Parts: sequence; structure tokens; C-alpha cells
Amino acid sequence: DTEVTQTPKHLVMGMTNKKSLKCEQHMGHRAMYWYKQKAKKPPELMFVYSYEKLSINESVPSRFSPECPNSSLLNLHLHALQPEDSALYLCASSPPGGTFYQETQYFGPGTRLLVL
Amino acid sequence: RKEVEQDPGPFNVPEGATVAFNCTYSNSASQSFFWYRQDCRKEPKLLMSVYSSGNEDGRFTAQLNRASQYISLLIRDSKLSDSATYLCVVSRQGAQKLVFGQGTRLTINP
Repeated sequence: DTEVTQTPKHLVMGMTNKKSLKCEQHMGHRAMYWYKQKAKKPPELMFVYSYEKLSINESVPSRFSPECPNSSLLNLHLHALQPEDSALYLCASSPPGGTFYQETQYFGPGTRLLVL
Repeated sequence: RKEVEQDPGPFNVPEGATVAFNCTYSNSASQSFFWYRQDCRKEPKLLMSVYSSGNEDGRFTAQLNRASQYISLLIRDSKLSDSATYLCVVSRQGAQKLVFGQGTRLTINP
């Protein structure tokens, strides 16, 4: 089963709000990712957690704050977002170890975010 | 120059046709290659990993040419349900970072 779940499915927030996106997987994957996707564009990597430690931050503004409480959970805390941050936020995970196998990423259904 | 380049399309083909997508990558250190499909307003889903010897999965065939840094996807006997955006994706070994092409939009017409 290659299932990554994300909540909520949709989120509308104002520029002064604080909200969080949640991602969960129970496949024993040890790498988890946050991506942002705008319409008609490919996903853009934001953060990578490997074995619960932040390993990549693609120069994401500090109004996005990731957290990995355990190996199955990944959160993205949002604060003081701008309307241009409206997008589909995708979580992904990939299996541990190996080489080729490690790079295969499985995506959750995403949270569609609208910032007003 | 983008690291992964694809023809954005759109491709409009009749049901039952054969359609081929091409993709080129510029980083010779790339080790892993994938085709993902993404339906409108959905997440990308892994369609196929691409192996050096080429591989087939039902109506789908993927080829890799490392010398030319070129990946292809062939869809035979296309179905209406094949309508989607097809993303060419590469990765360097251990990089934990997928590099996506811009995607090729395919519409299969009845």
C-alpha cells in the first residue's frame, strides 16, 4: 500500500491567520517532502526531512515552518501568508536506504490552499 | 536551459492511437528516471520507473538513452482514461531531490 494522507483537503485563510497542514504515512518511509504546486506548473520542492531531520530547505520564506514530530508525521505550519502563496501543497514520502529505490516518491492528494 | 525538458503539448489524439513523449535531461549525474502522470487537480502518481534496458508495463513502454540523455514514453492503444499531464522526472543518486519537467498535456478524444 503506497498511501500518503493529507489534511485538510482544502483550506482558506486570511493573511493574519495561523494554520497547519498535516501529512501522514504508515509505510515505514524515512524521507518525507513538502512541495508547492501552482496551476499548470510542476511541483516545486520546499523541504525534505530524512530520518526526522531537516535535510533540505529550498530557501523557503520563514512564514512556512515545517515540523516532523515522528517518522510517520509531517506538518507544515503557516503564518502571515500572502495571496501568492495560494497553491496546491503536496506531501510525499520515499522508502529508506538503497539507491534507486530511495528516490521513488509517493505523493499524497494535497491540500488546496487559498490565501485571501 | 532547464535541467529536464519536455514538449508541453498539448497533444490531442484519437482513442486507440499510439502516442510518444520525449524528454531530455542535462545533468549527466542523473541516475534515476521516472514517468509520473497527474490528472487535473490531483496529485502526481508514479506511472513507471525507467530502467537502462527499457521496460514495458501493459500498453506503456519507457526507454532510456544515457548517451543522448533522452527518455521516452510510448502509449499504445490509448484510452480516454489516459488523458492527463505526463511528467518526466529525474534524480541523482542519493540526492533526495526529484527534478521535474514542465509536463506534457495529453487529451485522448473519443
